Order: sequence, then structure tokens, then C-alpha cells
Amino acid sequence: GAGVSQTPSNKVTEKGKYVELRCDPISGHTALYWYRQSLGQGPEFLIYFQGTGAADDSGLPNDRFFAVRPEGSVSTLKIQRTERGDSAVYLCASSLTRSAYEQYFGPGTRLTVT
Amino acid sequence: QQQVKQSPQSLIVQKGGISIINCAYENTAFDYFPWYQQFPGKGPALLIAIRPDVSEKKEGRFTISFNKSAKQFSLHIMDSQPGDSATYFCAASIEGNTGKLIFGQGTTLQVKP
Repeated sequence: GAGVSQTPSNKVTEKGKYVELRCDPISGHTALYWYRQSLGQGPEFLIYFQGTGAADDSGLPNDRFFAVRPEGSVSTLKIQRTERGDSAVYLCASSLTRSAYEQYFGPGTRLTVT
Repeated sequence: QQQVKQSPQSLIVQKGGISIINCAYENTAFDYFPWYQQFPGKGPALLIAIRPDVSEKKEGRFTISFNKSAKQFSLHIMDSQPGDSATYFCAASIEGNTGKLIFGQGTTLQVKP
């Protein structure tokens, strides 16, 4: 079956611009996570959705970052007024339920802010 | 408290050898410890995972050893193959919480033919 998909695979934007990154989780997975992976580092948690609601957004670095999941499936991570420090690979993962533990990751979106 | 420390940062092993990667944690509330494998340009893929009620779990050539008292766990790759060359991440999470994973810094493994 189809895995987690993310679009675009690469995004180059200028400092100060707004970007949206999309995640399509595995069908039927209720839990969805966003992580950010900087070069040479492990992924860092950003936000967790259970269904439509953001149950834990403690990893969002500041209020320029926002994410939605309006219908409990596709999620969009939104970054306003991008900064060069936002450059990273943004990973999305889904799991059947929070307690199912096994998280399946997408290939990520590589964001470059120039 | 939330950190997971991983070592070594990089590892070179001959084909057929044993690769060993270690992780340590502080938060005793962690109760799920997965290992992920990541190839360049790909997302992490779950390799094997363990819960603290067992000291060892084996799946094929991959074994996790878990030492609850020392708050350490390790991944052993037996009969390492060139196709195992990748970056490996340990992680930890808490049941009853959100399931968010706290990752180690990663180990880049190169298996020489």
C-alpha cells in the first residue's frame, strides 16, 4: 500500500517568504507527527495531531510555525517569514494510533531558505 | 532529561563483522525504544524496537540489548553487509504521552566490502 507522501520534495524560498509543506499520511492512520531534521542531526519533534486536533505543539520553535489537519488526514505545515535557520528537512510520520508506536515516515521536504 | 545520547558518531566495519551502536537516556519514564535506519534522501524506517520489560530482542541480524538499571540500550548488527551502510538513530518515547519520539544524534555506518 501507499506510504506517507510529502510534497514538495524540495522547496527553495527567499528569506521572509511564506511556505507550506504538505503531508499525506497512510490511509486510516489517526496519529500524525511533524519532525525537523537538520544536517547531521536526528529528527526533532515539532507537533503531533490526533485526528484533527493538535494534541501537542510543544516542539514548534516559535509562532512563525503553524500546522493544520482540518479533516483528520492531510496535514499542512506552514512557516511564515522564513529565516535561513529554518533550512532543514521536514519529516512527516503517521501511526495507526498514538499507542501503536510504530511511526512510518515520509521522505521529507528539504527546505532551503536563501 | 529528554535527551537521548548516541555513540559513536560514525563507524566503519568490515563486511561480515559486528556493528555496535550505543544509546543512553536519562528520563526513566521512557518505555519504548526503537531504532531507525535512514538512507540518504529517504525518511527514517523502523528497524527494530524494544520495551523495558525485556533485556534483549532479536530480529534477523539485528539485536537490541537493553539495560534498564544503566539506562542504556544498544543495537548490534551481526554479519554486517555493505547494504547496511546507512545512518542509524536510536529513539525513545513515553506510553500514555503523545508518542513523540526523542531521537539520538545518529550514527553513520559504513560497511566495507
